[in-house]
Amino acid sequence: EAQVTQNPRYLITVTGKKLTVTCSQNMNHEYMSWYRQDPGLGLRQIYYSMNVEVTDKGDVPEGYKVSRKEKRNFPLILESPSPNQTSLYFCASSLSRTGLPIDTQYFGPGTRLTVL
Amino acid sequence: KNEVEQSPQNLTAQEGEFITINCSYSVGISALHWLQQHPGGGIVSLFMLSSGKKKHGRLIATINIQEKHSSLHITASHPRDSAVYICAVRSGRGSTLGRLYFGRGTQLTVWP
Repeated sequence: EAQVTQNPRYLITVTGKKLTVTCSQNMNHEYMSWYRQDPGLGLRQIYYSMNVEVTDKGDVPEGYKVSRKEKRNFPLILESPSPNQTSLYFCASSLSRTGLPIDTQYFGPGTRLTVL
Repeated sequence: KNEVEQSPQNLTAQEGEFITINCSYSVGISALHWLQQHPGGGIVSLFMLSSGKKKHGRLIATINIQEKHSSLHITASHPRDSAVYICAVRSGRGSTLGRLYFGRGTQLTVWP
């Protein structure tokens, strides 16, 4: 089954404790992206990757790191989480050509993160 | 300033009504997406448009590139259409190619 998986789905942590949210897709998509969703602000892009070893900043990259060492995985790393990173996080992927998506995005189920 | 503006923010309809949600954007784009977010939180991509019109079942999406405007129409609305509908545009500019900008969503409630 074609899908984007994220882990964990729920996480409660404390300020400063490094964490990684994994994202994996099985559709051989080049384009992958991370978003956060907050009440009143909607969805905002954190980082995106148009192919392996290529990553770019989105709207709100501060406090986050990503890596794209292989096509299927795109982990989101919070080196020192803070309470303002409490949010709902989505990973997504899509097929692309010459760097631009040519198809709709497939979203993961979301990760609800609480930083105390 | 938000690059993508959606209207209305909230929409209530009676089952069977024709629904229109509007999206205006201010950046040069390579594509526009319409997304649906279910009450449980999951997000599904409905359409990706770069020109013209697309139809899928009772849903129709149109885009006017010159006017920087898109509409999502739902014909014969049904309570199961109740969800948040989100417009997103993908930048077409070199320095931000691949970036995605989102509207804040339209909460649609359809009553039986």
